[in-house]
Amino acid sequence: GAVVSQHPSRVICKSGTSVKIECRSLDFQATTMFWYRQFPKQSLMLMATSNEGSKATYEQGVEKDKFLINHASLTLSTLTVTSAHPEDSSFYICSATPAPNTEAFFGQGTRLTVV
Amino acid sequence: DAKTTQPPSMDCAEGRAANLPCNHSTISGNEYVYWYRQIHSQGPQYIIHGLKNNETNEMASLIITEDRKSSTLILPHATLRDTAVYYCIVRVGYGNKLVFGAGTILRVKS
Repeated sequence: GAVVSQHPSRVICKSGTSVKIECRSLDFQATTMFWYRQFPKQSLMLMATSNEGSKATYEQGVEKDKFLINHASLTLSTLTVTSAHPEDSSFYICSATPAPNTEAFFGQGTRLTVV
Repeated sequence: DAKTTQPPSMDCAEGRAANLPCNHSTISGNEYVYWYRQIHSQGPQYIIHGLKNNETNEMASLIITEDRKSSTLILPHATLRDTAVYYCIVRVGYGNKLVFGAGTILRVKS
């Protein structure tokens, strides 16, 4: 199946710094990618829809100025957590769909720890 | 997207079939039923999807009722590696976001 890759898989940063997470579709082009966040023992929560060449669409309650999304090419979307705080520590996951009416493929996730 | 209802947890003996139910009584005619699973600390993995007909692939079978208000995911011979959280999701076609519910924790026991 199609492959979606995230980098890094794990990151630890200091409070107040910014962290960038990359999501790449390795063998297909994706005009739309999705970013999720998952806290321990909870389900995935959709944060935003990343649209190639245009602004991302954020879900209600997600701060767009804190979670910056850039989708500059058909194979790469980035999520930047700005001025990270300990409460931003979470598992961040991206997904993309290669073709209409087909399954979405997910990255392996990025474990962010803010200390 | 239609809301789905799944039991919070299920146990299954290794080697036996695991049958995971899902209710989606408000599903629309153009919404597909998707199943994913998530093994601890990994991204979700696609299992199977369908619209009206039953589907089978190398991982599982999907049985959708005639009125499409419910479905069952069947893992024919569960192994310990099938222990995961299983999510049933309904969504419309291409590009639409997947909204995850709580899912079912399946524990396969030896």
